[in-house]
Amino acid sequence: EAGVAQSPRYKIIEKRQSVAFWCNPISGHATLYWYQQILGQGPKLLIQFQNNGVVDDSQLPKDRFSAERLKGVDSTLKIQPAKLEDSAVYLCASSLSQGAHNSPLHFGNGTRLTVT
Amino acid sequence: AQSVAQPEDQVNVAEGNPLTVKCTYSVSGNPYLFWYVQYPNRGLQFLLKYITGDNLVKGSYGFEAEFNKSQTSFHLKKPSALVSDSALYFCAVRDRPGSARQLTFGSGTQLTVLP
Repeated sequence: EAGVAQSPRYKIIEKRQSVAFWCNPISGHATLYWYQQILGQGPKLLIQFQNNGVVDDSQLPKDRFSAERLKGVDSTLKIQPAKLEDSAVYLCASSLSQGAHNSPLHFGNGTRLTVT
Repeated sequence: AQSVAQPEDQVNVAEGNPLTVKCTYSVSGNPYLFWYVQYPNRGLQFLLKYITGDNLVKGSYGFEAEFNKSQTSFHLKKPSALVSDSALYFCAVRDRPGSARQLTFGSGTQLTVLP
């Protein structure tokens, strides 16, 4: 099966600019996640979708971050305006269903964002 | 709140020797535990999971992990390390299935297998 696709792989922007990341999950996966991985840390969940609805966005900085999954398939994550501390790898993951314990997360290769 | 601790930032082991990557957890209910591996410039790959049943769980690439409830640990092991096992390893926990509770990751352990 094709894996989780993310683009772009790398992005360099200046602070206060905006940026958008795209993710296409594995076909048939209802649940989609966006994680932020800062260098030297484990991934931190930003937002979780079940189909096109938001399940958990408690750790999403909503004043600058937004995400959507309008048709319940692919998703975009946007940052506007970016800050230096947003420099990180943004990982998209998908799974068959929300809480099934036999449904591990499948991750994309991530987008490495550098904010200067 | 649930949490995961990986006490070692770095583990070095000689090729052919056994390896252990340590993980301890804290949850309010029954733990559901996972190990993921991350190679450079790649996303995380699932290795194995413990949900219920046997305390020794076998996973991909010859890895296994032992669940120890009394010590709240889920250490990753492999009897004979390969140079290709060198990567970043993450332990993760969720306290029950079927819920929206997020998967919490540890900070990662860099494993280096020396030839």
